[in-house]
Amino acid sequence: AQKITQTQPGMFVQEKEAVTLDCTYDTSDPSYGLFWYKQPSSGEMIFLIYQGSYDQQNATEGRYSLNFQKARKSANLVISASQLGDSAMYFCAMRGGNTGKLIFGQGTTLQVKP
Amino acid sequence: DAGVIQSPRHEVTEMGQEVTLRCKPISGHDYLFWYRQTMMRGLELLIYFNNNVPIDDSGMPEDRFSAKMPNASFSTLKIQPSEPRDSAVYFCASSLATAWVDRDNYGYTFGSGTRLTVV
Repeated sequence: AQKITQTQPGMFVQEKEAVTLDCTYDTSDPSYGLFWYKQPSSGEMIFLIYQGSYDQQNATEGRYSLNFQKARKSANLVISASQLGDSAMYFCAMRGGNTGKLIFGQGTTLQVKP
Repeated sequence: DAGVIQSPRHEVTEMGQEVTLRCKPISGHDYLFWYRQTMMRGLELLIYFNNNVPIDDSGMPEDRFSAKMPNASFSTLKIQPSEPRDSAVYFCASSLATAWVDRDNYGYTFGSGTRLTVV
């Protein structure tokens, strides 16, 4: 069975500082994909970054980077130079095997302080 | 493309009534997903379709819930009869096929959601 775990219900970060949101996963599929989504208070789900299980390098998208440690089954999101607009709920998600099925972790609420 | 379109945006209904949520996926996407989001349970996958065929409905909470995809451009999620515990935000999402090596096609696009309140 596949499982995604986010152990930080809430996080605070000072504006302009970096923050790491934790995500661990469990799957028996050799091929899988890991995703991070942002959900602001308005409710929409915004795709941030993707990491494939066979990707050799950590994914980066602007201020977002994914710290992928395959042996430890972790896929932490790093946000550099936090901005007030980064305050939101962040979800880690995984698609395993060839099913197309995307499952989510419980989410982490991030608050950026001015 | 206008993205994934869900309707209605908000729905308030009385307990016992039938509720139908609608979704129009992105043209060309061959996967469609229905999720439910609540504070207590987070984002739950209810059911997903591939090429209009239901693949996994193990997340559908009970027989009161049903989903259909009569064609590639339309899906419905129906709750009959509705109960207060069904109150949640229901998201529809669509995706292209699972092309692992095709980084341009791995994305899932979510609709804006339907906020359902059953009183």
